[in-house]
Amino acid sequence: AQSVTQPDIHITVSEGASLELRCNYSYGATPYLFWYVQSPGQGLQLLLKYFSGDTLVQGIKGFEAEFKRSQSSFNLRKPSVHWSDAAEYFCAVGRNNAGNMLTFGGGTRLMVKP
Amino acid sequence: EPEVTQTPSHQVTQMGQEVILRCVPISNHLYFYWYRQILGQKVEFLVSFYNNEISEKSEIFDDQFSVERPDGSNFTLKIRSTKLEDSAMYFCASSDLGGRMSEQYFGPGTRLTVT
Repeated sequence: AQSVTQPDIHITVSEGASLELRCNYSYGATPYLFWYVQSPGQGLQLLLKYFSGDTLVQGIKGFEAEFKRSQSSFNLRKPSVHWSDAAEYFCAVGRNNAGNMLTFGGGTRLMVKP
Repeated sequence: EPEVTQTPSHQVTQMGQEVILRCVPISNHLYFYWYRQILGQKVEFLVSFYNNEISEKSEIFDDQFSVERPDGSNFTLKIRSTKLEDSAMYFCASSDLGGRMSEQYFGPGTRLTVT
């Protein structure tokens, strides 16, 4: 069965500092990986996705993520955090089958200090 | 930009009552999903739907749950006899492709409170 672990429940960074959110997955085949962001009272917005090819993927809002098969990781990064990035971030793995089920990690809540 | 919409934003119901949560997926999308998030827990998959039938469902999606696409635009989740543990945020999602290219777009959610 597939699973996703986000080891950090909360992270606080200063505005302008760099950010890395960790994600580890368990999946028997080639994973399809996603990062979503959820602002308070909002739905889940897709930041970026990895299906195949270049292991460094660029997303919206200046985010990027790197797929490392050897470490079963798909960490999310941003070089300079803005106060508006404060939100909850979810990593997810998808299955390549008719159901397209996404399995989510527990989420990391990001707080940004001024 | 097209978006998934959900109504109502908040539904309060008594235990044992039936509820219907409504979603309008993005208009050219063909795959539809329901997920739920119990407060403080992970987002969990409930069901996926394509071509007017269920493609996959999780263990959570038991006989108390059903989904329907009653017309060309709506996608509904019905819970026949609600339990306290059904209290959660329910998210609808849709995608235009399936399988490995599935990029799911989520609605803002319906918060269901069962008292």
